[in-house]
Amino acid sequence: QLQLQESGPGLVKPSETLSLTCTVSGGSISSSNYYWGWIRQPPGEGLEWIGNIFYTGGTYYNPSLKSRVTISVDTFKNQFSLKLSSVTAADTAVYYCARLNIQLWFVNDYWGQGTLVTVSS
Amino acid sequence: DIQLTQSPSFLSASVGDRVTITCRASQGISSYLAWYQQKSGKAPKLLIYAASTLQSGVPSRFSGSGSGTEFTLTISSLQPEDFATYYCQHLTSYPPSSFGQGTKLEIK
Repeated sequence: QLQLQESGPGLVKPSETLSLTCTVSGGSISSSNYYWGWIRQPPGEGLEWIGNIFYTGGTYYNPSLKSRVTISVDTFKNQFSLKLSSVTAADTAVYYCARLNIQLWFVNDYWGQGTLVTVSS
Repeated sequence: DIQLTQSPSFLSASVGDRVTITCRASQGISSYLAWYQQKSGKAPKLLIYAASTLQSGVPSRFSGSGSGTEFTLTISSLQPEDFATYYCQHLTSYPPSSFGQGTKLEIK
């Protein structure tokens, strides 16, 4: 059974860079059938798509975050990572990693449990 | 960018009720729409994709319909475990992939 697990600091200072890693187990990240992505949810609010990456390194980012976001992949470790620079309190959210299934109409069919990142000094 | 608007934002219903949630797209998106269920403190769970295809393992009381700009999620007979927040999502390989603002389904 595929599992995704987010990891990283739960507290980040304003103006610093948020860094999270998603470890994929039970399946290979190096498949042409999937993208791997990040989605966030501020407390009490809705879902916001951040971006996706293919195992070859190709990326798509939300235009509203594009100037601050970098998503990368490490196929040897079966992981992908998110960096969000110059964070503010507005970036406080639960961050989810998820699989985007190209063969299933581009749905996010597997999700991590999510990790809360708080931006505060 | 395509915007998705869900209605209502809040819905109060009783066990056994039939409920319908609507998702409207700002442009036609054919059948590229999914529905997710999210319970408090949990990740969203895929219910329906391609507007009307039930994900494996999802109870048949859930159904989806629509195409173009108007879509609906229907729960035919609410069960206690169905009280949650529901989101629609535009399915696309090109950014951005947008979500509706959510519909919170509460027990009356």
